[in-house]
Amino acid sequence: GAVVSQHPSWVICKSGTSVKIECRSLDFQATTMFWYRQFPKQSLMLMATSNEGSKATYEQGVEKDKFLINHASLTLSTLTVTSAHPEDSSFYICSAHGGATGELFFGEGSRLTVL
Amino acid sequence: EDQVTQSPEALRLQEGESSSLNCSYTVSGLRGLFWYRQDPGKGPEFLFTLYSAGEEKEKERLKATLTKKESFLHITAPKPEDSATYLCAVLITSGTYKYIFGTGTRLKVLA
Repeated sequence: GAVVSQHPSWVICKSGTSVKIECRSLDFQATTMFWYRQFPKQSLMLMATSNEGSKATYEQGVEKDKFLINHASLTLSTLTVTSAHPEDSSFYICSAHGGATGELFFGEGSRLTVL
Repeated sequence: EDQVTQSPEALRLQEGESSSLNCSYTVSGLRGLFWYRQDPGKGPEFLFTLYSAGEEKEKERLKATLTKKESFLHITAPKPEDSATYLCAVLITSGTYKYIFGTGTRLKVLA
């Protein structure tokens, strides 16, 4: 299947700093990528849809100035958590369409811990 | 309102004890239903895609089926390594493509 790579796998930062998470489609081009947040023992919560060459579409309740998304190329989308606070600590996962059949392929996830 | 519900929330099986996980959906414009496996601290791993009622897919000890209202993931003679959270998701089109995920079933297979 298609491969989506996410980096870093885990990051620890101080409160008030910004953290960037990268999501790459390794063997296909992805005009659309999705960013999810997952709390322990809960399902995936869609944060935003990242569109190559245009602004991201954010879900209701997600602060676009807090979670900056850039999709500058067909293989790379980035999520920047700005001025991170402990409540932003979570597991963030990106995904992309793998092709015409519609299935999503997911990155390995990034565990963010804000001290 | 479009909705996907998975049951049970958690399931404990003895090794070799077959069972089924359920994914019920109430959506309009279904384009596909997907099953994923997620291990702790990892991103979901794609298992199956089902597109139409009556369709079945198999992979090792797993078999996924689809009706007009629900999907089942059958696990035959499970092994401890099958322990994971199993997620289902539906792809719908209502102007734009949209994925809706269920809350998952946490499966624990005991040796």
